Amino acid sequence: SQKIEQNSEALNIQEGKTATLTCNYTNYSPAYLQWYRQDPGRGPVFLLLIRENEKEKRKERLKVTFDTTLKQSLFHITASQPADSATYLCAPVGQAGTALIFGKGTTLSVSS
Amino acid sequence: DGGITQSPKYLFRKEGQNVTLSCEQNLNHDAMYWYRQDPGQGLRLIYYSQIVNDFQKGDIAEGYSVSREKKESFPLTVTSAQKNPTAFYLCASRTGGFRGNQPQHFGDGTRLSIL
Repeated sequence: SQKIEQNSEALNIQEGKTATLTCNYTNYSPAYLQWYRQDPGRGPVFLLLIRENEKEKRKERLKVTFDTTLKQSLFHITASQPADSATYLCAPVGQAGTALIFGKGTTLSVSS
Repeated sequence: DGGITQSPKYLFRKEGQNVTLSCEQNLNHDAMYWYRQDPGQGLRLIYYSQIVNDFQKGDIAEGYSVSREKKESFPLTVTSAQKNPTAFYLCASRTGGFRGNQPQHFGDGTRLSIL
């Protein structure tokens, strides 16, 4: 069955550092990979999407990579800020994706 | 502003009762979804609908029912058959079509608890 793993449930870093979150998937060949941010008590918010033929995608301080050989996506937040503290979810999805399957998420805490 | 509205924010159910969670969207999206989120479990798909008057079961549909009579609305009923209904329920929508490059838009959830 399809399996999605996100690195350690919690990641603690200091303000100004780069946070790197990992999303690994197995038994799956997604055409896209989506990343979401979820704050406590709120619904997830879409951040970025990367296609299988893209190696890297950037949006402001965010960068996502997609390695279909390793079956892995990395999500980077540079110059991290306390406001970046949240849970980040990845969702690999096929070309004909009718519904998203999410990883359990990684909770990022940025301390000042 | 366009978006998804879930109500109520908090809901309490007595044993043996059915309860209905509301989800309304004004984004003109064809597809709508219900997820359940438990601590440490991530989001699990309950039901989804690609078009009005049609819906499909997700991974954990037992004990739940839905309807899709209008494009804007996708209510979820948690029946008494659902033995462990305490959870955070999230509704989402996206534009139609079978394309994986469309992001989902989420409401802010309903937290259901058993009295």
